[in-house]
Amino acid sequence: QQQVKQSPQSLIVQKGGISIINCAYENTAFDYFPWYQQFPGKGPALLIAIRPDVSEKKEGRFTISFNKSAKQFSLHIMDSQPGDSATYFCAASMTAGNKLTFGGGTRVLVKP
Amino acid sequence: DADVTQTPRNRITKTGKRIMLECSQTKGHDRMYWYRQDPGLGLRLIYYSFDVKDINKGEISDGYSVSRQAQAKFSLSLESAIPNQTALYFCATSELDRSYGYTFGSGTRLTVV
Repeated sequence: QQQVKQSPQSLIVQKGGISIINCAYENTAFDYFPWYQQFPGKGPALLIAIRPDVSEKKEGRFTISFNKSAKQFSLHIMDSQPGDSATYFCAASMTAGNKLTFGGGTRVLVKP
Repeated sequence: DADVTQTPRNRITKTGKRIMLECSQTKGHDRMYWYRQDPGLGLRLIYYSFDVKDINKGEISDGYSVSRQAQAKFSLSLESAIPNQTALYFCATSELDRSYGYTFGSGTRLTVV
């Protein structure tokens, strides 16, 4: 049973376009929702995170939108760049620093 | 040196062999985790440890065991490797209530033939 479902599995976007990745969760006890970015040959690294008391968080070109009633959250990458080409994982946990449940991952390719 | 070091980086082993993957960290974090990554399935939790005396099973612990030798060291063993354990394995560390997230190692690519 996958507690965090992520879509799409892969995404191709032109340079300057917007990449959108969606996640849905089931466990209402989750209260910390991070996104991780992974480049080939590397471990994932924290990109941005949100708690359910806010509906949106923005850091540079990356924005998380959070819908608590729908149990969904999404990552928007604005003005996508070739250097953003990576695999992105959403995740959820009960409090920051606790064990994370990850989504299936989205491979993003930004074409120049 | 990397904050979280995994050894080996790559390993090919035969079915039925016992193999150990090692993880050491210099972050000083109490919490350590082992995940495996498979295409389309994301990262799935195998085992986790919140301190030296605490070991917990994750969602896919069958066929695996772990040892927390010290705060800084957390090893994953495959007692009798099978081909469907071929995957990319990651060790990670964290601290409770710290929003800087997990620190991951660079991974071990394991192939069981």
